[in-house]
Amino acid sequence: DIQMTQSPSSLSASVGDRVTIPCRASQSVSTYLNWYQQKPGKAPRLLIYGASTLESGVPSRFSGSGSGTDFTLTISSLQPEDFATYYCQHSYMTPYTFGQGTKLEIK
Amino acid sequence: QVQLQESGPGLLKPAETLSLTCSVSGGSISSSYWSWIRQSPGKGLEYIGYIYYSGSTNYNPSLQSRVTISLDTSKTQFSLKLTSVTAADTAVYYCARLEQQLVHGLGYYCMDVWGKGTTVTVSS
Repeated sequence: DIQMTQSPSSLSASVGDRVTIPCRASQSVSTYLNWYQQKPGKAPRLLIYGASTLESGVPSRFSGSGSGTDFTLTISSLQPEDFATYYCQHSYMTPYTFGQGTKLEIK
Repeated sequence: QVQLQESGPGLLKPAETLSLTCSVSGGSISSSYWSWIRQSPGKGLEYIGYIYYSGSTNYNPSLQSRVTISLDTSKTQFSLKLTSVTAADTAVYYCARLEQQLVHGLGYYCMDVWGKGTTVTVSS
């Protein structure tokens, strides 16, 4: 299985900050990388697929980049509703695996 | 717009069979992939498997010997069965649509619609 690593597991930031959340794959997944946002008690929400394509309805302050093994989710200006846990997931081959998540907390 | 809703027993004893159903509304079940994912504090988000509307399936090798996903197009539902459960199967179980999105000719699979999740606890 391809292992997805997200470090750090938590990150503190303030409203208005620019934040980058990294994700690394144990082998190349090309651009077959998705990002999800999850809030407590809720299901994950798709933000980005194909490493950089924004899902419909997702605010443009979210962006994704990377290919191969290293990827980044960037939030250009944090809003109060963005404090959540973010997961990367590859779709290069089955089994699709998720990272352990990065929890974005208010500083 | 497609909506998904999981249903099934929330409490099982060890060695029993977990049976969950995902009801699909607002769209056709006969044109997509449909998946199950679970989330536990210990293992995070874990892909369980998917079924295509044609009936073809794919399972996580770690669960393959115990899992079956099936589809009932007449009821617009798909189901998950997991046999011989243990405490390690305690988790929130989600159903999700696994959609292929085309970008510059490449097809990217992603889980774009999720159910709200249902908690399953395995305890004697």
